[in-house]
Amino acid sequence: DAKTTQPPSMDCAEGRAANLPCNHSTISGNEYVYWYRQIHSQGPQYIIHGLKNNETNEMASLIITEDRKSSTLILPHATLRDTAVYYCIVLNNAGNMLTFGGGTRLMVKP
Amino acid sequence: EPEVTQTPSHQVTQMGQEVILRCVPISNHLYFYWYRQILGQKVEFLVSFYNNEISEKSEIFDDQFSVERPDGSNFTLKIRSTKLEDSAMYFCASKITGSGNTIYFGEGSWLTVV
Repeated sequence: DAKTTQPPSMDCAEGRAANLPCNHSTISGNEYVYWYRQIHSQGPQYIIHGLKNNETNEMASLIITEDRKSSTLILPHATLRDTAVYYCIVLNNAGNMLTFGGGTRLMVKP
Repeated sequence: EPEVTQTPSHQVTQMGQEVILRCVPISNHLYFYWYRQILGQKVEFLVSFYNNEISEKSEIFDDQFSVERPDGSNFTLKIRSTKLEDSAMYFCASKITGSGNTIYFGEGSWLTVV
């Protein structure tokens, strides 16, 4: 499975956009990039995923570089409730298992 | 919105006792998973289950662990003889099928072994 690299922590001001980067330089052509988050010790929450194209939903936008070696999760207007650990995960070829790394601990500050 | 539900939310058990954690996956999902997270550590994959059999398992999932889908709705994780190091949050998850489909997680069962 392709490994991902994320900064261990980031801060963001409430109301501003939070841009969370992820490197996945060894990603294969048919592997998806998934983003999840975990608030406190709750179950991981799905945010968004993509293969090649940029994606947007009601929670966030996902920007994937043309070479697919990195991506950025954008929370357009961060709120205090967005404080969480954000995981960037590349889904294995069989598409059956998520492998969680350390993620990025995002702190949204007033 | 459909969700994965887990019971109990918290269980305290004595070392050496058997524990069964229960999960009700989303109704039309066909792939089921158990993950665990020891306090302060990463979320770790334990096992995946499809078509009434284990499809993948990690090194953590040794002979002390077993999974079962006893009926059409429940998916259970059994730990035969609990150890102190089994204390963790256990997450059940499910997805419809195939690659590119989203895996949805339950809120977890917190197991404390004393």
